[in-house]
Amino acid sequence: AQSVSQHNHHVILSEAASLELGCNYSYGGTVNLFWYVQYPGQHLQLLLKYFSGDPLVKGIKGFEAEFIKSKFSFNLRKPSVQWSDTAEYFCAVNRETDSWGKLQFGAGTQVVVTP
Amino acid sequence: EADIYQTPRYLVIGTGKKITLECSQTMGHDKMYWYQQDPGMELHLIHYSYGVNSTEKGDLSSESTVSRIRTEHFPLTLESARPSHTSQYLCASSNLRQGAKDTQYFGPGTRLTVL
Repeated sequence: AQSVSQHNHHVILSEAASLELGCNYSYGGTVNLFWYVQYPGQHLQLLLKYFSGDPLVKGIKGFEAEFIKSKFSFNLRKPSVQWSDTAEYFCAVNRETDSWGKLQFGAGTQVVVTP
Repeated sequence: EADIYQTPRYLVIGTGKKITLECSQTMGHDKMYWYQQDPGMELHLIHYSYGVNSTEKGDLSSESTVSRIRTEHFPLTLESARPSHTSQYLCASSNLRQGAKDTQYFGPGTRLTVL
């Protein structure tokens, strides 16, 4: 069965530290990849997405993600986090051939940034 | 902030009651989705629709039903609530333009507790 795995359920780090969240998927074929974020008290919202081309994609708020096809991975990174990056982060994948765009989500990673 | 609304935000109800969770969007999106999320777990797609009078079951089996009589409205109904229905329910929408590449916009969610 297809799945999306996020390796860390909880991450705690200090401001200015670097962040990397792992995401692996088990789909075959061409996929679209997404990172969504949910800040405390807010809606789930898109952080960035990758369809094709340059495997390093930049998103909002200084985040970026790298697609490594051979590793079926789409890891999220930020060089220097801020307290406002405290949130839950979800990786999601769908098949390019699925016109419905049905997303398969990972279990999420809760990130807490301490001052 | 996406224009997608869910009511109620929180609902505590007794076993056997009929409930309807409301979801509305003002973006004119054709595609709408319902996800179920338990704490620390993935979002699971339970229903989706590509337009008026179209509804489909998602990957996770659910005893709930949905309807799509108007483009902007996609309510979810549980005829007889049970404690196993306790969860968070998220509604999302996207337009048809880019198929699987579409960004999904999420509502704030309804946290349902069935006693």
